[in-house]
Amino acid sequence: EAQVTQNPRYLITVTGKKLTVTCSQNMNHEYMSWYRQDPGLGLRQIYYSMNVEVTDKGDVPEGYKVSRKEKRNFPLILESPSPNQTSLYFCASTPIRSFSGANVLTFGAGSRLTVL
Amino acid sequence: AQKITQTQPGMFVQEKEAVTLDCTYDTSDPSYGLFWYKQPSSGEMIFLIYQGSYDQQNATEGRYSLNFQKARKSANLVISASQLGDSAMYFCAMRATYNTNAGKSTFGDGTTLTVKP
Repeated sequence: EAQVTQNPRYLITVTGKKLTVTCSQNMNHEYMSWYRQDPGLGLRQIYYSMNVEVTDKGDVPEGYKVSRKEKRNFPLILESPSPNQTSLYFCASTPIRSFSGANVLTFGAGSRLTVL
Repeated sequence: AQKITQTQPGMFVQEKEAVTLDCTYDTSDPSYGLFWYKQPSSGEMIFLIYQGSYDQQNATEGRYSLNFQKARKSANLVISASQLGDSAMYFCAMRATYNTNAGKSTFGDGTTLTVKP
């Protein structure tokens, strides 16, 4: 089944304890992106990647790191999480072979992170 | 910079009636795509409909249609014959294409639609 898989789905952690949210897609998509969703604020883009070893900042990159060493994986790293990073996180991917707006994002199921 | 505005935090509609969810956007990109996604209470993001900035005709997908008015920078979603299962949060989104902003995507704050029986 074509899908984007995020892990963990739920996590409660404490301030300052480094964590990684993994994202993997099995559709050979070039483009991958991370979003956070907060009540009343919709989805905000954190980082995106157009291909392996190519990453760029979205609108809210502060406090996050990403890497794209393999095409299928795009982990989101919180080096020193803080309570304001408590949020619902989504990873998404889409093909980019002829990058047109018609390439619809396939979303993961979301990862709910709580930082105490 | 891109901006999406959804001015209706919440909407109610009677079952079987049509409803319009508003979306206005702002961008300096000459080419872009507009999307609507549905997020039910279970949390997943479901793609509904897409409109390209150069498409001449309004997009339709089953009961969903997109009323695209480029001059007004609006991309309203019309749901015909509402069903109870349409109760969800709806997001309008855009993504630039074919320039240095390709890859950046922006979502609105969402509209919560409640369908009444």
